[in-house]
Amino acid sequence: DAKTTQPNSMESNEEEPVHLPCNHSTISGTDYIHWYRQLPSQGPEYVIHGLTSNVNNRMASLAIAEDRKSSTLILHRATLRDAAVYYCILSSGGSNYKLTFGKGTLLTVNP
Amino acid sequence: GAGVSQSPRYKVAKRGQDVALRCDPISGHVSLFWYQQALGQGPEFLTYFQNEAQLDKSGLPSDRFFAERPEGSVSTLKIQRTQQEDSAVYLCASSLGNRLGNQPQHFGDGTRLSIL
Repeated sequence: DAKTTQPNSMESNEEEPVHLPCNHSTISGTDYIHWYRQLPSQGPEYVIHGLTSNVNNRMASLAIAEDRKSSTLILHRATLRDAAVYYCILSSGGSNYKLTFGKGTLLTVNP
Repeated sequence: GAGVSQSPRYKVAKRGQDVALRCDPISGHVSLFWYQQALGQGPEFLTYFQNEAQLDKSGLPSDRFFAERPEGSVSTLKIQRTQQEDSAVYLCASSLGNRLGNQPQHFGDGTRLSIL
């Protein structure tokens, strides 16, 4: 499986934007980029995914580099409820349906 | 609508006992997954069902672990002769599609299993 690299932790202030980076230099052409987050004592929660183009939804935006070797999850205005571990995961079509989680980035949001 | 439901939320068992963990996926979801999450780690894949068929059980740690989904909806993960290293959170996820890498998975809140 292609691997991702994320910072262990990041800190943000409430109501400010947060940019969470992810490197995936060995990504293949069929790999989708997924982001999940996990709040304390809860299961992971799907955030967003994309293939080549930038994506927006009600939770976040995903900016994908032109060469697809890196991506950034953008939370436009962080709230205290966004404090969680954020996982960047690659998943290709076909047989690579299982999610391979790394250690993710622990996001702390300061009031 | 209802999400993925797991029961029990917490389970304490003595070493050597058998346990059964239940997962109710989102109605209509074809795919069902089990993951194991050790303290401080990300979830790790255990097994995958497409309807009632178990298509991948490569992540099951030993033959003491057994999963089933007999009618293609509810699934049960059974652990026989539990050992202390089985202590973890067991997560169930479901998704609408079948083997498509771009389908989001929807997770339950897990069962926290503690083996004494």
